Amino acid sequence: EVQLVESGGGLVKSGGSVRLSCAASGFPFSLFTMSWVRQAPGKGLEWVSSISGSNSYIYYADSVKGRFTISRDNAKSSLYLQMNSLRAEDTAVYYCARHGEASDDSTFDYWGQGTLVTVSS
Amino acid sequence: SYVLTQPPSVSLAPGKTARITCGGNNLGGKNVHWYQQKPGQAPVVVIYYNSDRPSGIPERFSGSKSGNTATLTISRVEAGDEADYYCQVWDSSSDHRVFGGGTKLTVL
Repeated sequence: EVQLVESGGGLVKSGGSVRLSCAASGFPFSLFTMSWVRQAPGKGLEWVSSISGSNSYIYYADSVKGRFTISRDNAKSSLYLQMNSLRAEDTAVYYCARHGEASDDSTFDYWGQGTLVTVSS
Repeated sequence: SYVLTQPPSVSLAPGKTARITCGGNNLGGKNVHWYQQKPGQAPVVVIYYNSDRPSGIPERFSGSKSGNTATLTISRVEAGDEADYYCQVWDSSSDHRVFGGGTKLTVL
């Protein structure tokens, strides 16, 4: 059974940093592209960043580029999101999501339950 | 940046057919995925690659695309279908994944 479990969220001050983790199990982690998707309270889904299985391709949304860093440790089947220079508008539930296939336009076929990051001013 | 446009809300009575649209420039050349999100839960894919349905998703859910508009159709709507629905594509010009703004489906 595919499982994605996020952790690391919490209350952080504006300008601060936090590192999110996503522990994956139930599938060969290194073979799958992974992404972070966030959802601000009462708002829609926003894609944040993606990383290919071999770390060859990394992409960021314009809203986080230069402040967030996605990474993975295939030996530990774990995905990470280092979030720096946090702003109030980064307040959201952050979901870890698996891509269904190796193609760029693949769907997000499995999602974690999310971890809430609240940025206070 | 690429934009996907969805109606904010759709309301209808049980047993009716819901059609949720998703519009975007040159959408015909992109593959569209649809997600259902119920309150307090993570999204779940209900349609992928425009019209494919994952195992476990009822046949009442179908997807189509014509020109620059993709449509998620839910036949014989039930109270349990109440949720937010999002379309999503990959924008090759920016290598960004893009979500529509979401549509809240209310079953009256």
